[in-house]
Amino acid sequence: NSKVIQTPRYLVKGQGQKAKMRCIPEKGHPVVFWYQQNKNNEFKFLINFQNQEVLQQIDMTEKRFSAECPSNSPCSLEIQSSEAGDSALYLCASSLYPEEQYFGPGTRLTVL
Amino acid sequence: QQKVQQSPESLTVSEGAMASLNCTFSDGTSNNFRWYRQHSAKGLEVLVSIFSDGEKEEGRFTAHLNRANLHVSLHIREPQPSDSAVYLCAVRTSGGNYKPTFGKGTSLVVHP
Repeated sequence: NSKVIQTPRYLVKGQGQKAKMRCIPEKGHPVVFWYQQNKNNEFKFLINFQNQEVLQQIDMTEKRFSAECPSNSPCSLEIQSSEAGDSALYLCASSLYPEEQYFGPGTRLTVL
Repeated sequence: QQKVQQSPESLTVSEGAMASLNCTFSDGTSNNFRWYRQHSAKGLEVLVSIFSDGEKEEGRFTAHLNRANLHVSLHIREPQPSDSAVYLCAVRTSGGNYKPTFGKGTSLVVHP
């Protein structure tokens, strides 16, 4: 099944703290996605990359969220100043073909 | 904007009885449909992908697609307690920068 690696699996931060999570996509997959899944199972797309370039991102991402996918390093998603509403499961997925998307196990962020 | 709705929200079946899950979508140009399973807020496991009207079987999981009715379903044959999880429907349109829209899921419980 999926070989997408996400670290850490769990992350606990206080409000206002920085939260950073990482994702190693499947080898050879040029497209990487970040999603936020809240406690109601709602998926919110945050950003996606093709190689190191941003394809799409939502407005929320442009403010407190930043993400990058440098070559030869893990992709990362960072929240500059965490808020309680950011508590969620953050899922990374990678894709070789448009029809396929393989997910990692996620990082569970809790903001106290 | 694509809307994906799943029903029922929750479903309880006995081990061995067929489980049927539904997913409706709003964009008739959608061409890529995938069912995922998610155990306890972990990563998403791909069950079956379908791209054209009709049926696609992967082991005990069968997807039925009827694009005219904007409907795709998942049938689980002989469900087991280990199939208890949240089942997510993901729908993609062509030219969507690889990005699918997810439903909110159906929570399935299989009783022994």
